[in-house]
Amino acid sequence: EPEVTQTPSHQVTQMGQEVILRCVPISNHLYFYWYRQILGQKVEFLVSFYNNEISEKSEIFDDQFSVERPDGSNFTLKIRSTKLEDSAMYFCASSALQGGTQYFGPGTRLTVL
Amino acid sequence: KQEVTQIPAALSVPEGENLVLNCSFTDSAIYNLQWFRQDPGKGLTSLLLIQSSQREQTSGRLNASLDKSSGRSTLYIAASQPGDSATYLCAVRRGGTASKLTFGTGTRLQVTL
Repeated sequence: EPEVTQTPSHQVTQMGQEVILRCVPISNHLYFYWYRQILGQKVEFLVSFYNNEISEKSEIFDDQFSVERPDGSNFTLKIRSTKLEDSAMYFCASSALQGGTQYFGPGTRLTVL
Repeated sequence: KQEVTQIPAALSVPEGENLVLNCSFTDSAIYNLQWFRQDPGKGLTSLLLIQSSQREQTSGRLNASLDKSSGRSTLYIAASQPGDSATYLCAVRRGGTASKLTFGTGTRLQVTL
């Protein structure tokens, strides 16, 4: 069964460093999402992406964040200058339809020291 | 602003018991609702998606109901098994062009032998 994959599974970085989290959505899906979950808290929406542009973003997704689909398979989330409060599990998701079932990847645990 | 609440926060039942998990949301103008399970330190596995026009959706031992007007959904698990132990999350998507899911805090279920 097709699934969303994410790399790395765990990333440790120093405050102020740039990180890129990578995702490979399900191959025939057109809609892509990033969510995050701070330990012990709710899963929070960051951004959605369709047709090579952001379709919706939350107030969390400020200028420090960016997304890109550099080729036909990868979808990336970049954090330019990480802060301690960016430490969280970051989930990528994809769906075939705009309102369709969203399938989530296993997540990347980001730890900012 | 949509708020999603799940009660109870934790639940422990003996194997074989039928159980109901509750999800409530404050804004009834939703497009659909999705139920997930999350195992510790893992990603989210989609269980069921129920459209706003539907009253019920079934998959195996799982049955989700939706009462949009009262802002409630329930997930019924029949004949629970130890493998059902996980955190169950509900998430709602509002109508229109919005694509983000708004998550509840989850119900942590433990099924004991």
